[in-house]
Amino acid sequence: DGGITQSPKYLFRKEGQNVTLSCEQNLNHDAMYWYRQDPGQGLRLIYYSQIVNDFQKGDIAEGYSVSREKKESFPLTVTSAQKNPTAFYLCASMKGNYGYTFGSGTRLTVV
Amino acid sequence: AQSVTQLDSQVPVFEEAPVELRCNYSSSVSVYLFWYVQYPNQGLQLLLKYLSGSTLVKGINGFEAEFNKSQTSFHLRKPSVHISDTAEYFCAVSRGGYQKVTFGTGTKLQVIP
Repeated sequence: DGGITQSPKYLFRKEGQNVTLSCEQNLNHDAMYWYRQDPGQGLRLIYYSQIVNDFQKGDIAEGYSVSREKKESFPLTVTSAQKNPTAFYLCASMKGNYGYTFGSGTRLTVV
Repeated sequence: AQSVTQLDSQVPVFEEAPVELRCNYSSSVSVYLFWYVQYPNQGLQLLLKYLSGSTLVKGINGFEAEFNKSQTSFHLRKPSVHISDTAEYFCAVSRGGYQKVTFGTGTKLQVIP
């Protein structure tokens, strides 16, 4: 079945470390997105990509980086510059106006 | 700029009772509207969407929503809720294509047995 796979499901980061969250889709969707979810704040857009080798900053891009080398993959790196990275991270993809398909999320915790 | 307001952060309702989750949006251009559901520790799932045409939209799990342009609202309704409907519900707005989707802050629906 087609879908979006996020890994790992849980991730722990030490202070000063960079960590990378994986997002893979086999839906043949052109656009992919990363959102951050904090309690009571809804979803906030970090980065998005409409085509391979191109991506744009969202509302809260500082401290994050992405790449889009393949249509199927859109990994997110949380750098040490992100001072408050503990959150639930959601990856999504979309084709046309049909709404997002979301992955099951990665919960990142700073230890 | 576009924005979404979900007026209720939590809505408790008894099982088999009707429910309405409120959503208002603001935008200077025509928009597309969505409702998503999120179960604990999971991603979001699309419930229904309004793109154009009939203002009453039917979705999965017996939910429906009505687009009201004059009141800039897109309220979600279900005539009879079940325990399994306990989840968080997000309203979202987009200008279409691959444009940014803006989400509301969510409404937690708690169904009481």
